[in-house]
Amino acid sequence: NAGVTQTPKFRVLKTGQSMTLLCAQDMNHEYMYWYRQDPGMGLRLIHYSVGEGTTAKGEVPDGYNVSRLKKQNFLLGLESAAPSQTSVYFCASSWGQVNQPQHFGDGTRLSIL
Amino acid sequence: DQQVKQNSPSLSVQEGRISILNCDYTNSMFDYFLWYKKYPAEGPTFLISISSIKDKNEDGRFTVFLNKSAKHLSLHIVPSQPGDSAVYFCAAPYNNNDMRFGAGTRLTVKP
Repeated sequence: NAGVTQTPKFRVLKTGQSMTLLCAQDMNHEYMYWYRQDPGMGLRLIHYSVGEGTTAKGEVPDGYNVSRLKKQNFLLGLESAAPSQTSVYFCASSWGQVNQPQHFGDGTRLSIL
Repeated sequence: DQQVKQNSPSLSVQEGRISILNCDYTNSMFDYFLWYKKYPAEGPTFLISISSIKDKNEDGRFTVFLNKSAKHLSLHIVPSQPGDSAVYFCAAPYNNNDMRFGAGTRLTVKP
């Protein structure tokens, strides 16, 4: 069982470029989440999804878009990357609401120059 | 405004001794808390949780204590092992679908 897989693991972008981070889970979880982690801070929720075809904003959604076209995939897009979006991004999934343990991917380290 | 605070960025203990990791919160509406453990280059993994109707939850070497009046919880690891060296995050659900994480405490267990 792969669990939660994030692609890519590392990426360097120039300011203004766009990219999509892919998250795939094989646990048939309904709920999926995108977080970012910055030095000295905990994980902060960007967007989440409570099921296929649904998305909603989290604590820090600005500058990001998401899509959940298939239950197993949750995509995070940066339309015009900014240096402030340099961070480590984690995807997570769970079978229920947020008080249920979440299963995390290993993260994507994104640097924007 | 950090609603979940872990004021100790790091903690070092000797193998076999007790590790105590602390977490404070400001939102009195929080009624459930989780601890996650994170190794370098990996994602966090769930460790243990506690509901506000309890003041203690135990799972093997790991025990979480909750003091609602002080808005404080702590994670005890007894005995500590070198493999416990990791970053520990305290977290609390903010609403049905959001979570607030502390900044984490890096635990080092020395052999």
